Parts: sequence; structure tokens; C-alpha cells
Amino acid sequence: DTAVSQTPKYLVTQMGNDKSIKCEQNLGHDTMYWYKQDSKKFLKIMFSYNNKELIINETVPNRFSPKSPDKAHLNLHINSLELGDSAVYFCASSQTGQPQHFGDGTRLSIL
Amino acid sequence: GESVGLHLPTLSVQEGDNSIINCAYSNSASDYFIWYKQESGKGPQFIIDIRSNMDKRQGQRVTVLLNKTVKHLSLQIAATQPGDSAVYFCADRGWGAQKLVFGQGTRLTINP
Repeated sequence: DTAVSQTPKYLVTQMGNDKSIKCEQNLGHDTMYWYKQDSKKFLKIMFSYNNKELIINETVPNRFSPKSPDKAHLNLHINSLELGDSAVYFCASSQTGQPQHFGDGTRLSIL
Repeated sequence: GESVGLHLPTLSVQEGDNSIINCAYSNSASDYFIWYKQESGKGPQFIIDIRSNMDKRQGQRVTVLLNKTVKHLSLQIAATQPGDSAVYFCADRGWGAQKLVFGQGTRLTINP
């Protein structure tokens, strides 16, 4: 199936741990994104990469580090997890100027 | 600062009726607008978009209206079905900008 897929779907971990979320798209898009959705459903852009180059870097703690090994992958690494990091994280992709396609999210819960 | 807001956080309509979801935006430089539907446990799904050189665009059972004068966007869903129950988001993008700014979302419930 053509899609944006992210893993894991659920991530439960202790405060202070380091974790990664992976995203892959097989739509041939040139741009990928990470969004954070809070408990009130508010969606906010965190990062965007175009052809492996960082083009959007919102005000996000530097504990969050995106990595794009190639155009089809954009991973998100989070160091020293805090309670406030609990949220649903969505990966998306698009061809420049076209609508973004979203994955089904990774629900991160910090204990 | 730029923001996108919604007039109603929740909306309930009877199955078969038409629904209208409204959205206000504040960035007068926005030139692209988009509606997404998010079902429980899923990611946002593209519904329809419109550029600022248009004031209306129609899809299958959906119509987006854009009023740039009052910075207002609406999504009309005709003959609603149970599968239309979801949270609907509007988003806009400023001219020359690369990011979408999302509104808070409206939860639409279709009553049988």
C-alpha cells in the first residue's frame, strides 16, 4: 500500500529516557514533516525536511532531533523525555506545493 | 501573530442533513487553505483545498467557501453520513511560507 507509515504506534516510557520514532513514505514525495498533537487535538508543526534538507525548525526544545537519511525517511529522536512530551506525534509528507499526507500517529506516554 | 480559529468546537447534525463547519484565519497574507478530517486513532486525511484566487471549490459532497474580505473559510458537507463523524481541521499557509497553521478543530457528530 502507498502510505506514510510510522513506528511504533504506541510508546510508553519513563521520564528521562531517550526514544526514537521512525517514519517512511513510499509516495515519492520530496518533503516530510513532524507534527505534535496535544490532548486538545491542537496540531503544530515541529520540523520539515525537503530533499533531506531541514527547512522548518519551529521553537522546539533541542532534546528533539530529526534525522532524514534519505527522501523517504524522517526519524525523530527525543532525549531526556519529560512529562510534557506526552502527545501524539504525526509524520506527514507532500510534494512541494501539494496537500500533505499524514501517518496514523505515534502515541507517546511518559510515566 | 498568525492563528487559525474555529467558531464552534462541536457540531451535531442529523444523518442526511447538511453541515457547515466554519473557520476564521488572521493572516491576510495566506494564499492557500485546506481542510482535513481526523477519525479516532487515525491521522488527518485530506478533504479539499482552495487557493486564494478562488472563492469556492466543490468536491464529492463537500464544498469549501473562502471569504477573503472577512478572512473566513467554511466546509459544507452535503447529505451527511455516519462516516462523516470526525474532527475537522482547517489550516492555512501564508504566501511564500512553507508551513501550514492548523486551527483547533471541530468535532462533528452525525446522529442517526
